[in-house]
Amino acid sequence: AQSVTQPDIHITVSEGASLELRCNYSYGATPYLFWYVQSPGQGLQLLLKYFSGDTLVQGIKGFEAEFKRSQSSFNLRKPSVHWSDAAEYFCAVGAPSSASKIIFGSGTRLSIRP
Amino acid sequence: DARVTQTPRHKVTEMGQEVTMRCQPILGHNTVFWYRQTMMQGLELLAYFRNRAPLDDSGMPKDRFSAEMPDATLATLKIQPSEPRDSAVYFCASQDRGLQSHNEQFFGPGTRLTVL
Repeated sequence: AQSVTQPDIHITVSEGASLELRCNYSYGATPYLFWYVQSPGQGLQLLLKYFSGDTLVQGIKGFEAEFKRSQSSFNLRKPSVHWSDAAEYFCAVGAPSSASKIIFGSGTRLSIRP
Repeated sequence: DARVTQTPRHKVTEMGQEVTMRCQPILGHNTVFWYRQTMMQGLELLAYFRNRAPLDDSGMPKDRFSAEMPDATLATLKIQPSEPRDSAVYFCASQDRGLQSHNEQFFGPGTRLTVL
C-alpha cells in the first residue's frame, strides 16, 4: 500500500528566499506523484505531477519538483517565494492503475515573512 | 473552463438535521471522490465512485453518512442526523477515465459545514 510523509508541519521563509518542501513516499514500484496547493478557503489545486520520464518536473507558479527513486522522495522547490505563495501544500502518491485513489500527506503550511 | 462545482458553499445547521451536499464533476470524468477536511484529522477520503457505482466507502461513518451518484453529472453526500463533530469542509474531486489521467484529481471549492 502507498503512503506519503511530509515531515514539516509548518515552514516560514522570507519573501524572495528559496523554498524546499519535503515529501517521502512508500510504494513498491514507480508511483504517480503530485503536489497540490490549498489557499485559505479554497479547494486543492494541482501544482505539478510526475508519472514517468524526466525526473525534474516543472509546474505552475514557478514551482518544480524532483523525483528521486533512491531516496523515495519528491521534494518541491521554488527559487524565490512570493507573499502569495503562503498556503498549505500537499504531497500525494498514486498507484499506476486506471483511475484509482491517491494518498495525501498531512500537508505543510507555508508562511511568508515580509 | 471545466471545473468541479459544489453546493452549497456554506451550510450552518442544528444538530439532528439532515444535510445534503451536492457535487457536479467535470463533464466526462467517470470517478468521483468525497473528502472531509478538519484541523485535527487533515484530509480524509470518505468514499469514491466510478461510473456511478460505489467503489470504496470504508472511510465513511455508515450509520449517518450516505453517498450516491443519481446520474453522471451529480454526486450527493448526505448526513442524517448531523452532529457537531461533522463540522468540517467537505470536498468533492473528479477524475478522468483512462490511464492518461495518471490518477490526477480535480477538486471543487468545498462545502463548509457547521453543525451547532
